Amino acid sequence: AQSVSQHNHHVILSEAASLELGCNYSYGGTVNLFWYVQYPGQHLQLLLKYFSGDPLVKGIKGFEAEFIKSKFSFNLRKPSVQWSDTAEYFCAVTSSGTYKYIFGTGTRLKVLA
Amino acid sequence: DAGVIQSPRHEVTEMGQEVTLRCKPISGHDYLFWYRQTMMRGLELLIYFNNNVPIDDSGMPEDRFSAKMPNASFSTLKIQPSEPRDSAVYFCASSGGPSGREQFFGPGTRLTVL
Repeated sequence: AQSVSQHNHHVILSEAASLELGCNYSYGGTVNLFWYVQYPGQHLQLLLKYFSGDPLVKGIKGFEAEFIKSKFSFNLRKPSVQWSDTAEYFCAVTSSGTYKYIFGTGTRLKVLA
Repeated sequence: DAGVIQSPRHEVTEMGQEVTLRCKPISGHDYLFWYRQTMMRGLELLIYFNNNVPIDDSGMPEDRFSAKMPNASFSTLKIQPSEPRDSAVYFCASSGGPSGREQFFGPGTRLTVL
């Protein structure tokens, strides 16, 4: 069965620190990959997505992610976090032939001012 | 487009009562998803529809939960009877059409069962 692993459940950083959140999936075929962010008390919003092409994807608010097919990974990065990035981050995968997401368990990021 | 619309935004009810949550997907989307989010269990997919037809309801917790999509612009999730362990935030999301596989989430309904 397909699965998505987010190994970092809680991350605490100071402002201006660099961020990298891990996401690994288990599926051998063609995948579509997503990162969503959920600010406290709000709904999930799309940060970025990968369907095909350049494996380095740039999203909103300075976030980027790199798809490494050989490692089944889609890690999220930001060079310098801000206090306003405090949120929960979800990685999601869907494969060709389905619109159903497999979500990771989420990573709670807290950025200290 | 107004995005995915959910109502009510907050619902407080007593154990044993029937609860109905409503969702209006984005126009042109042909997939609709119902999720439940709790601190303990995280984000869970309950059921999803394609062209108003339920495709996968394996995430529905038990027979107390039911979902319908009578037309392309409306879906309901019903809990009867409700129990305190059903307290959660319920999200609706839609996708399809020009948006492809990207899911757009509604603001959620925060349900509290006393």
